[in-house]
Amino acid sequence: GAVVSQHPSRVICKSGTSVKIECRSLDFQATTMFWYRQFPKQSLMLMATSNEGSKATYEQGVEKDKFLINHASLTLSTLTVTSAHPEDSSFYICSARDIRTSDLTTQYFGPGTRLTVT
Amino acid sequence: QKEVEQNSGPLSVPEGAIASLNCTYSDRGSQSFFWYRQYSGKSPELIMFIYSNGDKEDGRFTAQLNKASQYVSLLIRDSQPSDSATYLCAVKLSGGSQGNLIFGKGTKLSVKP
Repeated sequence: GAVVSQHPSRVICKSGTSVKIECRSLDFQATTMFWYRQFPKQSLMLMATSNEGSKATYEQGVEKDKFLINHASLTLSTLTVTSAHPEDSSFYICSARDIRTSDLTTQYFGPGTRLTVT
Repeated sequence: QKEVEQNSGPLSVPEGAIASLNCTYSDRGSQSFFWYRQYSGKSPELIMFIYSNGDKEDGRFTAQLNKASQYVSLLIRDSQPSDSATYLCAVKLSGGSQGNLIFGKGTKLSVKP
């Protein structure tokens, strides 16, 4: 149980284009999903918290107009990197929290999406 | 700036030995602590969580928490080569209800056969 998928697993795009990454909770419902970014040899950095049916909460320094987040259902959140640049190349990971659990903290991670902007 | 600190390693131990991974955190009000394992190129997977002072054991893994010292550790007994990975310590900050976690940079563990 508690499986989170991401699509695509790997994407290469040209500078200036937009890329959409999907995060799905496969066997549970998630009111809250989190989007992280991880650069090589660095830790996971929280980008934003996505709540179903409402606007995402972005961390300081993360441009909300560049990283568009939509959480339209209890099993799907999307992150769109708009006008991507080479410095956006990173490993993007989502996580989700199971709506059924009273534990507000345990997060289940997706497998990640490796974005390379050329 | 709330921080989670870990020694980046690499920590090298022989197969069968005990690996000890350490983590300190700056937010004194933190109540929830997590250890994740991350293989190269993969996303983190939860190993253990601990909320109370003391030890918590799960199979070969033992998490230890000392809130007074703001210190949490992970012991891996009978280390196996398959345990070779980067271990991330994560802390839920006090306040708020979103469950946001702050991650350390991770300690790379290498278990030699």
